Amino acid sequence: EVQLVESGGGLVQPGRSMKLSCAASGFTFSNYGMAWVRQAPTKGLEWVATISYDGSSTYYRDSVKGRFTISRDNAKSTLYLQMNSLRSEDTATYYCTRSSIIRGRVMDAWGQGASVTVSS
Amino acid sequence: DIVLTQSPALAVSLEQRATISCKTSQNVDNYGISYMHWYQQKPGQQPKLLIYEGSNLASGIPARFSGSGSGTDFTLTIDPVEADDIATYYCQQSKDYPYTFGAGTKLELK
Repeated sequence: EVQLVESGGGLVQPGRSMKLSCAASGFTFSNYGMAWVRQAPTKGLEWVATISYDGSSTYYRDSVKGRFTISRDNAKSTLYLQMNSLRSEDTATYYCTRSSIIRGRVMDAWGQGASVTVSS
Repeated sequence: DIVLTQSPALAVSLEQRATISCKTSQNVDNYGISYMHWYQQKPGQQPKLLIYEGSNLASGIPARFSGSGSGTDFTLTIDPVEADDIATYYCQQSKDYPYTFGAGTKLELK
């Protein structure tokens, strides 16, 4: 069974940093791209960043470019999102997702989400 | 960025057909593949993949869900609607970065 388990969320002050982790199991992690998608309270879904299967390529939405870094450790089957210079508008539930290369890059598995609140 | 437009809500009766549309600001097809996907989200839960590449049913999803369309016009159909289908449905394109989602269509009971 494919499992994605996020951790590392919580309350953080504006301008500070936070790192999210996503532990993957039930599939060969190094064969898949991975992505982060967020959802602000009562709002819709917003793609944040994607990383290729081997970590050689990364993509970000403009609003997080230069502040967030997506990375992965294939030996540990773990995905990360380092978030710096956090803003109130980054408050959201952050979902770790698996990206299927052969199925139109669809995000076919989702974690339960990690809540991040940016507030003083 | 590619903008995806969905109606905010749809009221439907149980055992009837629900049709949810998604229109994109640009063509999301490439080499015969539609980079359009559909997700279901219930309150307090993570999204779940229903349909990928426009019309392919994801693993474990009941056959009463189907997807159609190409280019800039896509449709998710639920027939017949069951009580468990009451949720918000999102379309999403993966043709170009940034990946974008529609605002979601909330399926409600009439």
